[in-house]
Amino acid sequence: DAGITQSPRYKITETGRQVTLMCHQTWSHSYMFWYRQDLGHGLRLIYYSAAADITDKGEVPDGYVVSRSKTENFPLTLESATRSQTSVYFCASKDSGTRGIGSQPQHFGDGTRLSIL
Amino acid sequence: GIQVEQSPPDLILQEGANSTLRCNFSDSVNNLQWFHQNPWGQLINLFYIPSGTKQNGRLSATTVATERYSLLYISSSQTTDSGVYFCAVGYSGNTPLVFGKGTRLSVIA
Repeated sequence: DAGITQSPRYKITETGRQVTLMCHQTWSHSYMFWYRQDLGHGLRLIYYSAAADITDKGEVPDGYVVSRSKTENFPLTLESATRSQTSVYFCASKDSGTRGIGSQPQHFGDGTRLSIL
Repeated sequence: GIQVEQSPPDLILQEGANSTLRCNFSDSVNNLQWFHQNPWGQLINLFYIPSGTKQNGRLSATTVATERYSLLYISSSQTTDSGVYFCAVGYSGNTPLVFGKGTRLSVIA
């Protein structure tokens, strides 16, 4: 099916472990984003990517690594998970449009609920 | 950076009532979206509305970009409208969306 899919939907892991959250979109959108959602903070941007092999930090990038070797995939890795990274993670994508990043709507995946014990 | 404020933070409605949610932002934007986060946590696009007025069924939205606010109207509310409504804005250029903290709506039968 067309759209944006995240996997896994739920993940429990332990502190210090590496964990990778996957994001795949079928629209060939140029831009992809990772957000985390925490009570009291709303959604905050972790990293985003304007195209394959181009990534930029968002508001809360520490402790996370991203890569984008293919347009359709944008994995997010926690290299050494900490309890403070327990959160719901959302991936999003958008087309570049003709008037820059701001001129097109973002579309979100269903989220990954990550618990770090 | 840009600030996004939503009001009210919480709202309880009787089924059938109407409501208005507000989003104020601190700078000029060329992207504004309204989302509904349902009780299952999914973020649903409601409107892409950097300016003007749009309607979709019982929902409508108006953005007055020059005055830096947007309004989301919900008419004849239903219990399925419950959830959190987010406003998110983006600058011109290459800046991604900045989200407000949301309005939590509870519609009771």
